[in-house]
Amino acid sequence: GIQVEQSPPDLILQEGANSTLRCNFSDSVNNLQWFHQNPWGQLINLFYIPSGTKQNGRLSATTVATERYSLLYISSSQTTDSGVYFCAAGDYKLSFGAGTTVTVRA
Amino acid sequence: EPEVTQTPSHQVTQMGQEVILRCVPISNHLYFYWYRQILGQKVEFLVSFYNNEISEKSEIFDDQFSVERPDGSNFTLKIRSTKLEDSAMYFCASRDQTGSSEAFFGQGTRLTVV
Repeated sequence: GIQVEQSPPDLILQEGANSTLRCNFSDSVNNLQWFHQNPWGQLINLFYIPSGTKQNGRLSATTVATERYSLLYISSSQTTDSGVYFCAAGDYKLSFGAGTTVTVRA
Repeated sequence: EPEVTQTPSHQVTQMGQEVILRCVPISNHLYFYWYRQILGQKVEFLVSFYNNEISEKSEIFDDQFSVERPDGSNFTLKIRSTKLEDSAMYFCASRDQTGSSEAFFGQGTRLTVV
C-alpha cells in the first residue's frame, strides 16, 4: 500500500510564527487530504488537494503530485492551531501519516 | 453542508460483549469506509464497502468484525466479542461514485472496552 511520511513529528511555535508541514507519499495517488485532529479526537478536514495549491484563511496547501509531496503552511499561528495534523493519501482508500503535533505557545 | 454522522460519540462496553457502531453516510455517496485510531497512533484503514459488499479489508479486519448497510441509509460496524485492544476511535467515511473524490469523515466513535 501507499506509504505516507510526515515531517517534522513535533513542532513548537511562538504565537504569530509561520510554519511548514511536509507530507511525502510513496506512489501516485488520486486523493490527498490534510486533517486537523482536535482535542476531542475529531478529524477536521482542512484540504482536499491531490494537486495544485489551495488557501483557506491562514492555512494553505500545495501538492506536487509528480514529485509525490504535499506541504501545509500555517501563517500567523494562533494557540487554537495546536493539535495533530494528518496527511492522508491514496485512491479508493486512504493511508495516513503518523502526524505532526503542533504546539503554539502564547 | 452534508455531513457523515456517527453514533454514539462514546461507548463503553465490557470485554466479550458485542458492540455496533453506527454511521449515516452522505446520501448520494456510494463508497463507505471504516477506519480506526488507537490512542496516540495513526489512523488505520479497516474496510471499504461498495455495492453492498466488502471491496477491500485490512489484516485488522478479522472474523470478529463485520459491516452491514441494513436499510440503504445506515452503515454499521459490528464487533462480535470485544477485546481490550479494540479500544480506539472509530471513524466512518464516505465518498461519491467517483473513486478519486474527497472522502468525508464522521466525527468518530470513541470505544472503550473495560
